[in-house]
Amino acid sequence: AQTVTQSQPEMSVQEAETVTLSCTYDTSESDYYLFWYKQPPSRQMILVIRQEAYKQQNATENRFSVNFQKAAKSFSLKISDSQLGDAAMYFCAYRGYSGGGADGLTFGKGTHLIIQP
Amino acid sequence: EPEVTQTPSHQVTQMGQEVILRCVPISNHLYFYWYRQILGQKVEFLVSFYNNEISEKSEIFDDQFSVERPDGSNFTLKIRSTKLEDSAMYFCASRVDRGTEAFFGQGTRLTVV
Repeated sequence: AQTVTQSQPEMSVQEAETVTLSCTYDTSESDYYLFWYKQPPSRQMILVIRQEAYKQQNATENRFSVNFQKAAKSFSLKISDSQLGDAAMYFCAYRGYSGGGADGLTFGKGTHLIIQP
Repeated sequence: EPEVTQTPSHQVTQMGQEVILRCVPISNHLYFYWYRQILGQKVEFLVSFYNNEISEKSEIFDDQFSVERPDGSNFTLKIRSTKLEDSAMYFCASRVDRGTEAFFGQGTRLTVV
């Protein structure tokens, strides 16, 4: 079974600074997807960024980028120019690429990101 | 922008009662999911549904749980006899195909008393 590990229960960063959230995963599959979801206090789950394992290029979405290291099974999220609205729980998630394609997401335990004004 | 809609936003029920949580996935999506998040814990996969049948289910999804897509638009999760430990946030999600990300609803907070 796949596992996702987020080793930082909480991170704090000053507004406008850069922060990196760590995620490692364990899988025997060669094709899969990785995601970062944001969960603000409203508890809505919002997709931040996704990465296909077959792509070598790291995904980028505006101020959010990932460092995907397939051999190391590492998938970190970098948030540049942190804003107060970035404060939330961040979950790393894995989904396999099975033949059926209906696999559910496996989530890490989350990192609580605090933005200091 | 299309979104996944869940009702109700909060439901309180007595232990032993049946509850039905409702979801309207995005209209052209083909894969449907239910997840659970106990307060302060991680989000856990319950079940996936594709082509009008369950594709995959976790060990949490026991005989107390069932899912249904009764009319081609709604996607429901039924808990037959609720227990205190069923209290959690329940999220519905959908995606259009195997290569895309899942979109989540805003969640239903279930409180079993």
